[in-house]
Amino acid sequence: EADIYQTPRYLVIGTGKKITLECSQTMGHDKMYWYQQDPGMELHLIHYSYGVNSTEKGDLSSESTVSRIRTEHFPLTLESARPSHTSQYLCASSAKQGVSDEQFFGPGTRLTVL
Amino acid sequence: KNQVEQSPQSLIILEGKNCTLQCNYTVSPFSNLRWYKQDTGRGPVSLTIMTFSENTKSNGRYTATLDADTKQSSLHITASQLSDSASYICVVSDRGSTLGRLYFGRGTQLTVWP
Repeated sequence: EADIYQTPRYLVIGTGKKITLECSQTMGHDKMYWYQQDPGMELHLIHYSYGVNSTEKGDLSSESTVSRIRTEHFPLTLESARPSHTSQYLCASSAKQGVSDEQFFGPGTRLTVL
Repeated sequence: KNQVEQSPQSLIILEGKNCTLQCNYTVSPFSNLRWYKQDTGRGPVSLTIMTFSENTKSNGRYTATLDADTKQSSLHITASQLSDSASYICVVSDRGSTLGRLYFGRGTQLTVWP
């Protein structure tokens, strides 16, 4: 099982609150990712990082922001949560292995904004 | 447009039976194709990876096939168990960028009944 952790696992908050979703990995991977997944739908990449001090926006526009100050830590922040942000957020990390980067996923954070 | 289509959307089988899940893709240039298993409320876990030159690969009771000419893959599950109940996601990687962009299918939701 991959050593990638996300907290909290479940979060229910009111509109307008600021939240930070935590993601940490102990595998020393340079690349880290945040995905958003709604029920029955595909994963959408919202942020990624090649390494420390590197952050990029993904394919799906998101009002969230990320930071990468340490290799092992890639937190995602929402300054003002809205009901439209209700979703599952999955963090992943990867390192080059042969012909591909296998992405290892955390357990996810299920966010509900009321 | 690069896409990954999976069928069926959902499937119910009895314990001990076999089943086959399908994945068609249009991703180009092709690097590799992975099948992931995602349990409810968890992150996806990689089952198999196949590159262009491979046409079959097994992992226990899971056997994946790839036809790179027709851009089709299948995942065959033998002697299903209750623990096989999960979403099975087909993920295709391209060779178009340093990131190794991933394209996700929406998954097939498999339910195994006793």
